[in-house]
Amino acid sequence: DAGVTQSPTHLIKTRGQHVTLRCSPISGHKSVSWYQQVLGQGPQFIFQYYEKEERGRGNFPDRFSARQFPNYSSELNVNALLLGDSALYLCASSFRSGTPEAFFGQGTRLTVV
Amino acid sequence: GQQLNQSPQSMFIQEGEDVSMNCTSSSIFNTWLWYKQDPGEGPVLLIALYKAGELTSNGRLTAQFGITRKDSFLNISASIPSDVGIYFCAGRPSNTGKLIFGQGTTLQVKP
Repeated sequence: DAGVTQSPTHLIKTRGQHVTLRCSPISGHKSVSWYQQVLGQGPQFIFQYYEKEERGRGNFPDRFSARQFPNYSSELNVNALLLGDSALYLCASSFRSGTPEAFFGQGTRLTVV
Repeated sequence: GQQLNQSPQSMFIQEGEDVSMNCTSSSIFNTWLWYKQDPGEGPVLLIALYKAGELTSNGRLTAQFGITRKDSFLNISASIPSDVGIYFCAGRPSNTGKLIFGQGTTLQVKP
């Protein structure tokens, strides 16, 4: 069975550009969460979506947005990229919104130059 | 952002030794999770703990959910070279879908 898949695996963007990251959850899972992991730190919660609705938002600026599609896949969008947005962006899949366990994809490594 | 206090930050041990790491928080959590992350990969779930006092094992790994619901520890027995990696604790507050992560414990095992 396929786990959580994220695309692309790596990308390089210039300051001020926009980026879209994609995530497909484990089959049957309906909740997707996004995390940002800066080098040397633990992941930081950005968003949770369940049944296409936002269920939680972390302390990130409005430049960060996300959505979930009817097939439960999700996109994370970041506008007006800053150097500080360089990080590993992780998508986590859970069966439902309140399910304790979260299973992570391999992440997208974003470098802003 | 809010994080858990995870210690130690790093450990360098001999193969065959036992390892212990822990996490503490000022907040109560309903669930504690322990993950392992290899370079360039996403975190992999090792153990999930659901109630205070719970002690759970997964092979050579044992983890406990603290009685106060504000701490958890992970033990690895008889370490092997493939145990190398970064271990993260994560807590889930009540009625939220988010996880709050510790800063990680980097484990190195000398053969």
